[in-house]
Amino acid sequence: NAGVTQTPKFRVLKTGQSMTLLCAQDMNHEYMYWYRQDPGMGLRLIHYSVGEGTTAKGEVPDGYNVSRLKKQNFLLGLESAAPSQTSVYFCASKSGANVLTFGAGSRLTVL
Amino acid sequence: AQSVAQPEDQVNVAEGNPLTVKCTYSVSGNPYLFWYVQYPNRGLQFLLKYITGDNLVKGSYGFEAEFNKSQTSFHLKKPSALVSDSALYFCAVSPNTGGFKTIFGAGTRLFVKA
Repeated sequence: NAGVTQTPKFRVLKTGQSMTLLCAQDMNHEYMYWYRQDPGMGLRLIHYSVGEGTTAKGEVPDGYNVSRLKKQNFLLGLESAAPSQTSVYFCASKSGANVLTFGAGSRLTVL
Repeated sequence: AQSVAQPEDQVNVAEGNPLTVKCTYSVSGNPYLFWYVQYPNRGLQFLLKYITGDNLVKGSYGFEAEFNKSQTSFHLKKPSALVSDSALYFCAVSPNTGGFKTIFGAGTRLFVKA
C-alpha cells in the first residue's frame, strides 16, 4: 500500500524559477489537498480538489497553481518561486470517513 | 472565523507519567475533531477522531481524547507516556457542513524524558 506519494522529496530553486510538485494516491479518494508547513504556523491549506477536473483555493493560494487531470494525481506548481515559498509541502487525500492520509512531504528551498 | 488553538508550544513529561496535550476550537455546529501525530521528517499520521457519541475516544498507540462540548475542547491524553511518544501533535477540526476542509492547530511538541 503506497498511500500518498510525493515527488520530489527535496528541491532547491533560485528566485524566479518554476517547478511542479507531484502527488499521487492509490486509494481512489475524491478529495485531495496541498498544505504548507512552516514553524509555529501549523499546516495551511494552499489549494484543494473535490474530484477529477476540479480545483479550489485554500487559505494561502497566491503564487501557486494546481491541476487535477486524473483522479489519482494532484499537481502543485510554482510559476516564479520566491524565498517566501521556502517551506515543507504536504499532499493529502481524504477518505469517506473524513480521515486525511498524508504524503511524506517535499522540502523546498528558494534562494 | 474558524480556528483551532493549541495553547502550549511544548509539553514535557517524564516517561511513565500521564500526559495531556490541550486543544480548543472555534467552529460552528458540531464539527468532526481529530488528532494527528508527526514524527521527524515524516508526514502526519492519523491518531483518533470524534464524530459523535461517547466523549472519550480511544485511538492508536494507547492515546485517547476527551471531548467537552461546553468548553469546545478536545484534549489528547495518555495514561503512561513513552519516550517513543516524543513527536509533534496536531489537533484538527473539520466542519460537518460540506466537509471539504480540515483546519489545523499550530502543533504541540511533546518531549518525553526517560
